[in-house]
Amino acid sequence: EDQVTQSPEALRLQEGESSSLNCSYTVSGLRGLFWYRQDPGKGPEFLFTLYSAGEEKEKERLKATLTKKESFLHITAPKPEDSATYLCAVTNQAGTALIFGKGTTLSVSS
Amino acid sequence: EPEVTQTPSHQVTQMGQEVILRCVPISNHLYFYWYRQILGQKVEFLVSFYNNEISEKSEIFDDQFSVERPDGSNFTLKIRSTKLEDSAMYFCASRTTVDYGYTFGSGTRLTVV
Repeated sequence: EDQVTQSPEALRLQEGESSSLNCSYTVSGLRGLFWYRQDPGKGPEFLFTLYSAGEEKEKERLKATLTKKESFLHITAPKPEDSATYLCAVTNQAGTALIFGKGTTLSVSS
Repeated sequence: EPEVTQTPSHQVTQMGQEVILRCVPISNHLYFYWYRQILGQKVEFLVSFYNNEISEKSEIFDDQFSVERPDGSNFTLKIRSTKLEDSAMYFCASRTTVDYGYTFGSGTRLTVV
């Protein structure tokens, strides 16, 4: 069964304190790995798609990387406005449905 | 920036009643989806819709659920006879091509009492 596991469940950082979020996956033929940001009471907001091991993408303070077993979302010098739940999801070769992890809730304090 | 629009934002219904959740996907998108998120749990796939028919569905999407694209803009999810366990946030999403990020709506919070 395809599965996505994210760690840690929650992360508290001081403003400027860089860290990484982990997403490990087991999937029958990875088609794509997606990172989303979700604010309370809102829908997931698309951040990145990664397709193959070794691929990296960046956007402002965020950088996503992908290996054959896991993905990392690196947050460099975070700000309070980066506080949110970060969701990882995958699609497999069988279809286009996103399979989500439980997410990592990030809190950044000033 | 184009948005996926969902209405209503919050709906309260009595157990056993029918509800219709509405979505307006982004106009040039071709693939449409419904997901749900029970409070404190993962986002779960319900159904995908392409070329005016269901292309995939999960085991959650049983005979109580149906989807429709009645015109060129709206995409609806109907729950025929709601149960308490249908209480969740329901998200509509759309995308242009298969290999591109989805755009999600802000969701409809369904509360079944």
